[in-house]
Amino acid sequence: DAGVIQSPRHEVTEMGQEVTLRCKPISGHDYLFWYRQTMMRGLELLIYFNNNVPIDDSGMPEDRFSAKMPNASFSTLKIQPSEPRDSAVYFCASSLGTASDYGYTFGSGTRLTVV
Amino acid sequence: GQNIDQPTEMTATEGAIVQINCTYQTSGFNGLFWYQQHAGEAPTFLSYNVLDGLEEKGRFSSFLSRSKGYSYLLLKELQMKDSASYLCAVRVNPGGYNKLIFGAGTRLAVHP
Repeated sequence: DAGVIQSPRHEVTEMGQEVTLRCKPISGHDYLFWYRQTMMRGLELLIYFNNNVPIDDSGMPEDRFSAKMPNASFSTLKIQPSEPRDSAVYFCASSLGTASDYGYTFGSGTRLTVV
Repeated sequence: GQNIDQPTEMTATEGAIVQINCTYQTSGFNGLFWYQQHAGEAPTFLSYNVLDGLEEKGRFSSFLSRSKGYSYLLLKELQMKDSASYLCAVRVNPGGYNKLIFGAGTRLAVHP
């Protein structure tokens, strides 16, 4: 398996622009998570899905953030409009059930810079 | 609320042993994970504990005491490549759905 695939790897955008981050989880995994990582706040859970259904979006910082999972093999995280404080690395992770043997698998991340 | 504490930074010498501690106070508990993250890379899974005791995987071991809300990661025979951040993460199960909450991570620097 190719693992969790995220795109783009890097994104530089101007303040006010819309940004869309993409994630393809490992085939067969039933959970998908979006995390954001910064030096100040570490890894924060933004939202997660089970069987394509959003379970908890309480970590989404503002209404400017939205996430969708239209099918089992694709998810998007959208920021509209983007602000400089959104600059961070955004990780997508997937898992199957209890994930006790191999944990949660992370994608390579998208480094977002908003100028 | 959810609170996971680990030291911010540690240093150690190549060939030595280092122990990274993690304490947690969470609403519910359904397992504890340790991840390694090299600079500029994604976190990678190291170990998982759900019952009290020690789990050993080669040079790495992880211990859990659920009554104390405490875990540690033990790294033996340190190598330069072990210089990385080590993240403690607790899985909670609100409403029957699993989610993983991370501590801030411990940056380990291994010196020759």
